[in-house]
Amino acid sequence: KNEVEQSPQNLTAQEGEFITINCSYSVGISALHWLQQHPGGGIVSLFMLSSGKKKHGRLIATINIQEKHSSLHITASHPRDSAVYICAVTGNQFYFGTGTSLTVIP
Amino acid sequence: NAGVTQTPKFQVLKTGQSMTLQCAQDMNHEYMSWYRQDPGMGLRLIHYSVGAGITDQGEVPNGYNVSRSTTEDFPLRLLSAAPSQTSVYFCASSYSPSGGGEQFFGPGTRLTVL
Repeated sequence: KNEVEQSPQNLTAQEGEFITINCSYSVGISALHWLQQHPGGGIVSLFMLSSGKKKHGRLIATINIQEKHSSLHITASHPRDSAVYICAVTGNQFYFGTGTSLTVIP
Repeated sequence: NAGVTQTPKFQVLKTGQSMTLQCAQDMNHEYMSWYRQDPGMGLRLIHYSVGAGITDQGEVPNGYNVSRSTTEDFPLRLLSAAPSQTSVYFCASSYSPSGGGEQFFGPGTRLTVL
């Protein structure tokens, strides 16, 4: 049983496309996190949100607490956005999704 | 601030050997944790600590020990390495998981057990 489910698992896009990654969770949470991991690299936090919407550059994260769902959007995607994006939630501990592997082709 | 540091970055062990993965943070975070990351499985919690002297097991604790003698350090010990422990290990720290605090990750340790 996975407390956090992400879709899609893999995603290939052309440079410039608008990208959406989805995350659904089944536990009560105090916050939801979006993380980014480049190939062979470490993990960095992109967003932490508990309601509404946050924007950072070309990245937008939204959360719907009632539906237990969050989306990460990337506008005007670029090859440097190629990475694994991980959704995580904070309940009594951290729960992680298995990640979405994004490849942006020039 | 150095953030979260981990050593070593790479390690190869033979079955049965023991070793310690080091983790340190300079952000005065109370919560520290160890995860392993395996292909297709996401991050899995091994052990965590909510403060100096307090540790608890996560989802996959077997074969690993931890201790937390200071706020800064949280080493992970492999008692008798097995090939199933081949993985990438991440240490992380947070001000408070229940408060929804942001997690900060170390760069990872890639471990191979032959």
